[in-house]
Amino acid sequence: EAQVTQNPRYLITVTGKKLTVTCSQNMNHEYMSWYRQDPGLGLRQIYYSMNVEVTDKGDVPEGYKVSRKEKRNFPLILESPSPNQTSLYFCASRPIDRDRGLVGNQPQHFGDGTRLSIL
Amino acid sequence: DQQVKQNSPSLSVQEGRISILNCDYTNSMFDYFLWYKKYPAEGPTFLISISSIKDKNEDGRFTVFLNKSAKHLSLHIVPSQPGDSAVYFCAASAHFNKFYFGSGTKLNVKP
Repeated sequence: EAQVTQNPRYLITVTGKKLTVTCSQNMNHEYMSWYRQDPGLGLRQIYYSMNVEVTDKGDVPEGYKVSRKEKRNFPLILESPSPNQTSLYFCASRPIDRDRGLVGNQPQHFGDGTRLSIL
Repeated sequence: DQQVKQNSPSLSVQEGRISILNCDYTNSMFDYFLWYKKYPAEGPTFLISISSIKDKNEDGRFTVFLNKSAKHLSLHIVPSQPGDSAVYFCAASAHFNKFYFGSGTKLNVKP
C-alpha cells in the first residue's frame, strides 16, 4: 500500500529535550515536505526537499532541522524544543514530473500526522 | 501575513444541495492551486487542482473555479453528501516547490 508513515503519532516531552519525528514513504517520491498545523493558521510549510541531499526552507523553518540522506526518509529534528512548537505535524511526499523538466503538478500525499506537546 | 485565506471557518449545507467553499490569495505569482480534504485524525487528502492557465476544472461532483483578476478560487460540490463533511483546505504554489495553505473551512452536510 502506498503510504507516508510518521512516527511517533503522539509525543509529550519537555522543553529542551531533543527529539526527532521520522517520516518514510514507499512511493519512490523525490519531493518530501514537513508542515505544522495550528488553529486558525492552517498548514504552514517548515522545510521541503526536492531530492536526496537537497533541502530548503519553507515558511516557518526556525527551530527545526531536516536531513535527506535517503530518498524514502525525511526526519524532522527539534534540537531544543520549546512550547511554541506544540503543534500537529504532517509529512508529505510527491513525485516530480520528469517529462516537464520541472517539479510538475503532482499533488502531495500526506501522512496521518504527529501531535507534539512540549511542556 | 497569510498569502492564502479562507474567511469562512465553517459551512453547513443540506444533503443534496450545493456546497461552495471560497479561498482568496494575495500572491500573483501563484500558478497552481489545490483543494485538500481532511478528516479528523488523518492527513489531508488531495481532492482537485487547477493550473493558473485555466479558469475551471471538474472532477465528478467537484468543480474548482479560478478568478485570477480577483485572486479568488472556489470549490463547488454538487450534490453534497454527508460523507463530504470534513475540513477543506485550499493551497497555492508558485513553481511547485513551496506551498501555502489556507486555515481551512469545516463543512457539515446535514442528512
